[in-house]
Amino acid sequence: AQSVTQLGSHVSVSEGALVLLRCNYSSSVPPYLFWYVQYPNQGLQLLLKYTTGATLVKGINGFEAEFKKSETSFHLTKPSAHMSDAAEYFCAVTSKAAGNKLTFGGGTRVLVKP
Amino acid sequence: GAVVSQHPSRVICKSGTSVKIECRSLDFQATTMFWYRQFPKQSLMLMATSNEGSKATYEQGVEKDKFLINHASLTLSTLTVTSAHPEDSSFYICSANMNNQETQYFGPGTRLLVL
Repeated sequence: AQSVTQLGSHVSVSEGALVLLRCNYSSSVPPYLFWYVQYPNQGLQLLLKYTTGATLVKGINGFEAEFKKSETSFHLTKPSAHMSDAAEYFCAVTSKAAGNKLTFGGGTRVLVKP
Repeated sequence: GAVVSQHPSRVICKSGTSVKIECRSLDFQATTMFWYRQFPKQSLMLMATSNEGSKATYEQGVEKDKFLINHASLTLSTLTVTSAHPEDSSFYICSANMNNQETQYFGPGTRLLVL
């Protein structure tokens, strides 16, 4: 079984400030971890993913995330928030054993204040 | 690359009618397609998984006779909501992966409103 918990359903940051979105997962097998972003009334866009190898992964739009197995975490960060970062962010987990079926966290809505 | 489209983007229908939503992988062959449902301000709930040429696998609690899925080719999957009712109103999103890889690419979604 696999699950994802995103701490904080809403995060408010000032433009130019650090963005930190927390994600903890549970998986009985080595996980594949993803962060997706969703803008209003749109589908999901892949920000970044971890499968194997380097635990610090860089994605699009200046985002990065670090896989920490000991903490079962995959937190998403961006050094400097931009107004265009306002959106809903979803962390997700899957594995080969799960048939690549994604399990999503509850999502975190990011508000960027000017 | 890895573009997924959905049609229509929005649909309004009367209660009791059926609605078909198409999901296409535009620049790759999709070994597997997934259908999700998303209620306002909530996360995505997987409805079913479909592989080309075989019957879809539905998640627990999803009525397969209500939500008919046809994966006719490696680039097209359809979801038909039969005898739609207002409680079926939702945002439906499909995704696809290629070569049984772990990454899913998502379509833009279809907003269904049943009156």
